[in-house]
Amino acid sequence: AQSVTQPDIHITVSEGASLELRCNYSYGATPYLFWYVQSPGQGLQLLLKYFSGDTLVQGIKGFEAEFKRSQSSFNLRKPSVHWSDAAEYFCAVGAGLTGGGNKLTFGTGTQLKVEL
Amino acid sequence: NAGVMQNPRHLVRRRGQEARLRCSPMKGHSHVYWYRQLPEEGLKFMVYLQKENIIDESGMPKERFSAEFPKEGPSILRIQQVVRGDSAAYFCASSWGDGNQPQHFGDGTRLSIL
Repeated sequence: AQSVTQPDIHITVSEGASLELRCNYSYGATPYLFWYVQSPGQGLQLLLKYFSGDTLVQGIKGFEAEFKRSQSSFNLRKPSVHWSDAAEYFCAVGAGLTGGGNKLTFGTGTQLKVEL
Repeated sequence: NAGVMQNPRHLVRRRGQEARLRCSPMKGHSHVYWYRQLPEEGLKFMVYLQKENIIDESGMPKERFSAEFPKEGPSILRIQQVVRGDSAAYFCASSWGDGNQPQHFGDGTRLSIL
């Protein structure tokens, strides 16, 4: 069965500093990988996804992530954090389902705090 | 609003009552998923549906929980005889048919059991 580990429960960075959120996954085949962001009281917004091809993927809001098969990792990065980036970030791995769907398994999330 | 619509946003029930959560997928999306988020945890898959069919319900509790996605109207997640442990945020997501299409999430229903 697939699993996702986000080792950092809380991270605090200063505005303008760089950011890296860690994600490790376990999955028997080539994974579908996702990063979502959740603001308080809201649903999840997709930041970026990896299915195949270029291992460095660009997303919205200036985020990028790099897929490293040898390390089973899909870390999220941003070169300069803005105060509005404070939120909870979830990494997810997708497993194909009968019928063409995709079952997402989420990590427990990383809460990002941005200091002004 | 072309996004995934969930209602109600907040639902309060007493123990033993029934809870009905509704989800209208994005226009053109034929696949619906339900996830549950307990406090301080990530989302857990519950069920995957297409129109009039339950495709995978491996994450659904064996009793009291059911889901449907009728030919017309929204998808419904139904919880009978609710208990305190059912208190959580329930999220619906929808996608196109292919497995490599991302899921788009609604804002969730926060269910509180008194």
